[in-house]
Amino acid sequence: DAGVIQSPRHEVTEMGQEVTLRCKPISGHNSLFWYRQTMMRGLELLIYFNNNVPIDDSGMPEDRFSAKMPNASFSTLKIQPSEPRDSAVYFCASSPSSTPYNSPLHFGNGTRLTVT
Amino acid sequence: AQSVTQLDSHVSVSEGTPVLLRCNYSSSYSPSLFWYVQHPNKGLQLLLKYTSAATLVKGINGFEAEFKKSETSFHLTKPSAHMSDAAEYFCVAGGATNKLIFGTGTLLAVQP
Repeated sequence: DAGVIQSPRHEVTEMGQEVTLRCKPISGHNSLFWYRQTMMRGLELLIYFNNNVPIDDSGMPEDRFSAKMPNASFSTLKIQPSEPRDSAVYFCASSPSSTPYNSPLHFGNGTRLTVT
Repeated sequence: AQSVTQLDSHVSVSEGTPVLLRCNYSSSYSPSLFWYVQHPNKGLQLLLKYTSAATLVKGINGFEAEFKKSETSFHLTKPSAHMSDAAEYFCVAGGATNKLIFGTGTLLAVQP
């Protein structure tokens, strides 16, 4: 299995621009997570999908952030407009479990976002 | 409320010596506990998981962890460190709250 695939690996953009991060979960996994990692705040859960439905989006910072999962094999995280404080590494993770908080997560290698 | 405390932000050991990374949890119920490792520019990878079947859990790459309910601890150990073990390690708790709680991480340095 190829694992969780994220693209792009690196994204540099100017403040105010739209940014779209992409994730392909492991085939057969029905839970998908978006996390953000920074030095200051560590790992933060942004949103969690189960069977393509958003279950918990309480971690999404503000309306500039949106996430979609149109099908079981693809998810996007969009930031519009981007701001310098959005600079971070964004991870996508998937799990085969419908109760993923008791199950291991499989992480992608992340997208390093820099907003200038 | 559930919480996870990693007692050391940095640990440095010499190659071939034992590794001890400490983790304490706070929970009103028996949690699921995990250790993950993150190498530079990589995602987190599962090392091991505690599921209440056995208090001593063996993981990948020679790591193991022991669940001690009386001490609310889940420390990660390895008898002999290898240079490739240099990475950041995260203790994670999950369970009935439907949230995964990540510790702040311990950066392990291995000196030659």
